[in-house]
Amino acid sequence: DTGVSQDPRHKITKRGQNVTFRCDPISEHNRLYWYRQTLGQGPEFLTYFQNEAQLEKSRLLSDRFSAERPKGSFSTLEIQRTEQGDSAMYLCASSSIRDRGHEQFFGPGTRLTVL
Amino acid sequence: GQQLNQSPQSMFIQEGEDVSMNCTSSSIFNTWLWYKQDPGEGPVLLIALYKAGELTSNGRLTAQFGTTRKDSFLNISASIPSDVGIYFCAGPLRIIFGKGTRLHILP
Repeated sequence: DTGVSQDPRHKITKRGQNVTFRCDPISEHNRLYWYRQTLGQGPEFLTYFQNEAQLEKSRLLSDRFSAERPKGSFSTLEIQRTEQGDSAMYLCASSSIRDRGHEQFFGPGTRLTVL
Repeated sequence: GQQLNQSPQSMFIQEGEDVSMNCTSSSIFNTWLWYKQDPGEGPVLLIALYKAGELTSNGRLTAQFGTTRKDSFLNISASIPSDVGIYFCAGPLRIIFGKGTRLHILP
């Protein structure tokens, strides 16, 4: 296992369309996080899972956004009725609760462009 | 909410120079993390700090957990071209990120 992977790496869509991103965490990690990053900013927390349970959601996560981790392994992030303001890099990270500082390891991100 | 302020926002240095940057928090942290992000990629963890006053090195990088537990510092010695990128400090658990310090190395 070489790290966190995300698919696709890039997505261009038209406003109003739905998009879905996938994240595969490091295999032994039980926590999985989603972040959004816009140009010139640090990543902003969206939500995280411990195993299959979604434990916290940021208020940034509007009702058009939904995340799942059905079997406690990979996760999907869906954005419905995309808006131009959704254009950003979507980052996934994973960690293990056994690690001292819950250090998170990030995937390469999915860059979304909404036209 | 918690806020992280990174300084400086941007740095232009000559290859071989040492670099210092810092991060301050509006609240006490029990963990400080430093990440580097290259264009189009996700952040990569450089150093993790767990105790006030702790000094930890990773090659040419050295980070310190401030004694007030509200700040942290990252130093890079003898910078090289591959050090170019954005350096983020971050707090624990859900990870609150600063806005980053952009490091540029002049030819």
